Amino acid sequence: SQKIEQNSEALNIQEGKTATLTCNYTNYSPAYLQWYRQDPGRGPVFLLLIRENEKEKRKERLKVTFDTTLKQSLFHITASQPADSATYLCALDWGSTLGRLYFGRGTQLTVWP
Amino acid sequence: KAGVTQTPRYLIKTRGQQVTLSCSPISGHRSVSWYQQTPGQGLQFLFEYFSETQRNKGNFPGRFSGRQFSNSRSEMNVSTLELGDSALYLCASSSDRGWTEAFFGQGTRLTVV
Repeated sequence: SQKIEQNSEALNIQEGKTATLTCNYTNYSPAYLQWYRQDPGRGPVFLLLIRENEKEKRKERLKVTFDTTLKQSLFHITASQPADSATYLCALDWGSTLGRLYFGRGTQLTVWP
Repeated sequence: KAGVTQTPRYLIKTRGQQVTLSCSPISGHRSVSWYQQTPGQGLQFLFEYFSETQRNKGNFPGRFSGRQFSNSRSEMNVSTLELGDSALYLCASSSDRGWTEAFFGQGTRLTVV
């Protein structure tokens, strides 16, 4: 069965630095990989989607990479701010699983001033 | 446009009871998925409905069931509640399959005592 691992449960960085979060998976590469942000007691919010034939995607201060050889996605937040503090989830979609996303356990990011 | 609406937000039930949770997707979205989120297991897929048909089901016991109405609104039902069913139940809608982003509701926090 597929296994999804996010690098660490918690990541603490100083404001202004770049946060890098990792999502690793086993077996087959997904057709799509998504990143979500979740604040306590709230539902996840979509951030970025990257397809298996794309290497990199950017949106404002966010950047995601997808390496199907390493079976890994990296999620970067540049010039991080305390407001970026949240749990970040990666979600994999193998395209044939009819509306089912497989989520990692998430990485809790804390940005301190 | 209005987001995904889940009701109720909070619920306290006794072991053995049953519960029904409701989800109204974004207007025009025909796919509705349900997830259970617990600290120990993270986000786990329950089932997905598209145009009133269940297309996919996760590994949950038969006590968990759902349905979708012609207006795409969905309900999930849990019968014979157990303490372990305490969780945040999240509903997500998308325009079609998972290759577009999923829009999550705020969730229903179910506590079984």
